[in-house]
Amino acid sequence: IQLTQSPSSLSASVGDRVTITCRASQGIRSYLVWFQQKPGKAPKLLIYGTSTLQSGVPSRFSGSGSGTDFTLTISSLQPEDFATYYCQQVNSYPLTFGGGTKVEIK
Amino acid sequence: QVQLQESGPGLVKPSETLSLTCIVSSGPISGFYWNWIRQPPGEGLEWIGNVYHSGTTNYNPSLNSRVTISVDTSKNQFALKLTSVTAADTAIYYCARRMNTPMGNYLDFWGQGILVTVSS
Repeated sequence: IQLTQSPSSLSASVGDRVTITCRASQGIRSYLVWFQQKPGKAPKLLIYGTSTLQSGVPSRFSGSGSGTDFTLTISSLQPEDFATYYCQQVNSYPLTFGGGTKVEIK
Repeated sequence: QVQLQESGPGLVKPSETLSLTCIVSSGPISGFYWNWIRQPPGEGLEWIGNVYHSGTTNYNPSLNSRVTISVDTSKNQFALKLTSVTAADTAIYYCARRMNTPMGNYLDFWGQGILVTVSS
């Protein structure tokens, strides 16, 4: 299953609302996960099951979608949110990741 | 809090075998799938495969014929072997735990990653 993320990069300002899209090549029900990765660090789990926030993740992050189309939304971008975001499908093997979306400071 | 730590050589020669170990601490190895993921420098993430505590494995078909993942429950660790490596296998290799819930499974704990360079 291929995952296509868009955009591949974006520039935004602190306080902006940011939306990242992940499209699957076939239906994956709600088995979609989002990670945040900062330079030199391992990916950090943000959201699983499409919309369930991992413990400790700020509520400004939210996820939605089902089937083949999913979104990650950051309601008010904070300085610590500048990073690369990846989606991952866990519906079937092989597990696959999207190509990533780099969120940069405008 | 579960911790994972990768270890192994940082440099492997072309055509040789890459061998890494992931030690799991502060938590049981039983009851979970243990995963390997890699990331070439400056690129995206690729899932390599996983192993259950019983020894059941799943591999990415893109690497299937070259990959072996094994588990040693007595040592609370699991291992990755990748044969016949080339420069394309140069990457940061991560180990991670897969958590299962009714809302699906997800990789919740990750090691810090280890850079493996394939070069003569």
